[in-house]
Amino acid sequence: DSGVTQTPKHLITATGQRVTLRCSPRSGDLSVYWYQQSLDQGLQFLIQYYNGEERAKGNILERFSAQQFPDLHSELNLSSLELGDSALYFCASSASAQETQYFGPGTRLLVL
Amino acid sequence: AQKITQTQPGMFVQEKEAVTLDCTYDTSDQSYGLFWYKQPSSGEMIFLIYQGSYDEQNATEGRYSLNFQKARKSANLVISASQLGDSAMYFCAMRERDAGGTSYGKLTFGQGTILTVHP
Repeated sequence: DSGVTQTPKHLITATGQRVTLRCSPRSGDLSVYWYQQSLDQGLQFLIQYYNGEERAKGNILERFSAQQFPDLHSELNLSSLELGDSALYFCASSASAQETQYFGPGTRLLVL
Repeated sequence: AQKITQTQPGMFVQEKEAVTLDCTYDTSDQSYGLFWYKQPSSGEMIFLIYQGSYDEQNATEGRYSLNFQKARKSANLVISASQLGDSAMYFCAMRERDAGGTSYGKLTFGQGTILTVHP
């Protein structure tokens, strides 16, 4: 158990819908990262937050947004979902950008 | 160019034998970090081992060691005394700074190697 929690574990939804994925980092970790794992793209970095502020953006679509709250949990919002958004979404956390990232169990999203 | 290259899509090893999973990387940064993660069929990502670019010694964590050859830009994972539970996908990843010298911590992953351990 990495100490990072993600909910829900599985999500099935339809095209055009909006979903919210939630992540609670390890106790004391200020950095939260979101990654997407899909068969065609592999594991890709989406976005990073540090202590409530966005720090870095990767290949995140405009339809996707995220935030980190004062209690340090983070949410990834995916809207206008397409079939190609089906993937495993990971949240990871670390104490700082220079520390090892520990991953949550992931949320498996299936868009039908 | 690929930042992280894992050339072995699949590897097989006999239980109790050692196995090496290859990883080469590409960066112009002098300060970077290399990681290996394990992803079992259940899907979670498990951190195994870390090597900093300035570390002079190869990293070791139990049965895992990282064969770091800086000049060759390779960071191979060696698993000794393989166990059936080692069967999984293994990812090599790199953390480097951006062009401005700031480390945001984002990881770039390779495509992974599926390891199968035979009894």
